[in-house]
Amino acid sequence: DQQVKQNSPSLSVQEGRISILNCDYTNSMFDYFLWYKKYPAEGPTFLISISSIKDKNEDGRFTVFLNKSAKHLSLHIVPSQPGDSAVYFCAAQPTSGTYKYIFGTGTRLKVLA
Amino acid sequence: EAGVTQFPSHSVIEKGQTVTLRCDPISGHDNLYWYRRVMGKEIKFLLHFVKESKQDESGMPNNRFLAERTGGTYSTLKVQPAELEDSGVYFCASSRGLLNEKLFFGSGTQLSVL
Repeated sequence: DQQVKQNSPSLSVQEGRISILNCDYTNSMFDYFLWYKKYPAEGPTFLISISSIKDKNEDGRFTVFLNKSAKHLSLHIVPSQPGDSAVYFCAAQPTSGTYKYIFGTGTRLKVLA
Repeated sequence: EAGVTQFPSHSVIEKGQTVTLRCDPISGHDNLYWYRRVMGKEIKFLLHFVKESKQDESGMPNNRFLAERTGGTYSTLKVQPAELEDSGVYFCASSRGLLNEKLFFGSGTQLSVL
């Protein structure tokens, strides 16, 4: 049972344009959401996070939007750069009980020069 | 500040053999997590330590997997005996606090069971 879903396995975007990566979740107990970027042969690195009390968080070129009613979050990258080409994972942590972070399957972003 | 380090980076073993993976978390991080990723799939939770105690081991596949964190510092994950389906990349991650904290990941151990 996949509680965090990234339905697009891959995405190609032209350099300078906006990249939008999507993530859906099923567990209403999730309270904290994160995006990670992963290059080949490396571990995931933290990008940006958002708490469920907010609907938007921005950090430079990266913005995460949270729609709690739709159980949906998205990561916007503007403008996209070739160095952004990587696999992006969204993750979620529940408020109580277990504190484990649940990850999605990832979306491979390719930014074309 | 040193990051999360994992050893070895690669391991190739035959079915039935034993392998031990090691993780050194960031100093001062009480929370240590093990995850596994099989090609193209999600980064799947295995277990979570708070200091030396197992907080949650609900993701451990079966009793062939044994994780320890003696003294609340580094952790080991032993697979004995290894099976073909155990192949994948094993990631370790750590965090200082329990809630609303970002995880810091190591580079992973690529395990191939032949």
